[in-house]
Amino acid sequence: GQQVMQIPQYQHVQEGEDFTTYCNSSTTLSNIQWYKQRPGGHPVFLIQLVKSGEVKKQKRLTFQFGEAKKNSSLHITATQTTDVGTYFCAGLGAGGTSYGKLTFGQGTILTVHP
Amino acid sequence: DGGITQSPKYLFRKEGQNVTLSCEQNLNHDAMYWYRQDPGQGLRLIYYSQIVNDFQKGDIAEGYSVSREKKESFPLTVTSAQKNPTAFYLCASSLFQAHGYTFGSGTRLTVV
Repeated sequence: GQQVMQIPQYQHVQEGEDFTTYCNSSTTLSNIQWYKQRPGGHPVFLIQLVKSGEVKKQKRLTFQFGEAKKNSSLHITATQTTDVGTYFCAGLGAGGTSYGKLTFGQGTILTVHP
Repeated sequence: DGGITQSPKYLFRKEGQNVTLSCEQNLNHDAMYWYRQDPGQGLRLIYYSQIVNDFQKGDIAEGYSVSREKKESFPLTVTSAQKNPTAFYLCASSLFQAHGYTFGSGTRLTVV
């Protein structure tokens, strides 16, 4: 079945440093979604990427979708303590048995030291 | 404001008892989902429903049951057949399956 792998599992940074998490799917995706879950909270939808090679920005966050639509990345520039949380990618299958199925990665837990 | 309401936030049950988790949305979303989250793990799909009176098993449906009698409501029953029910349960909805999900605040179930 469709698998979505996310690395790293943990990332500790000093405030002001950059942060990147990577997401890789075993199958081609229709779209990739990114979510943020604050400690003790629930996942909150950040963004959806649909097109091959697409790049979207939200303030200090940059999201990329790979040319083959099988991988994605989230980059945060100059992290702040408010960025703390777990970042999940979720890929929507494009065909075969994974068509229409949204599979979440295991998430990257980001801690930011002030 | 529109959103998803899960209740209760914390739930304690004795082993062998069935328990039902509530999920209500007023977003007029067609699709609804139940996920389970264990510490340090991602979200695993239990059941999903794309339309009233229809639902499909997810990856870990064994020991769980759902109903979708109304568009707004998608309750999840954790039965005594679920071998390891203690977890954080998240309900979500979306306008349609390819759209971003809105999650509820979750129910932490502890079975003792």
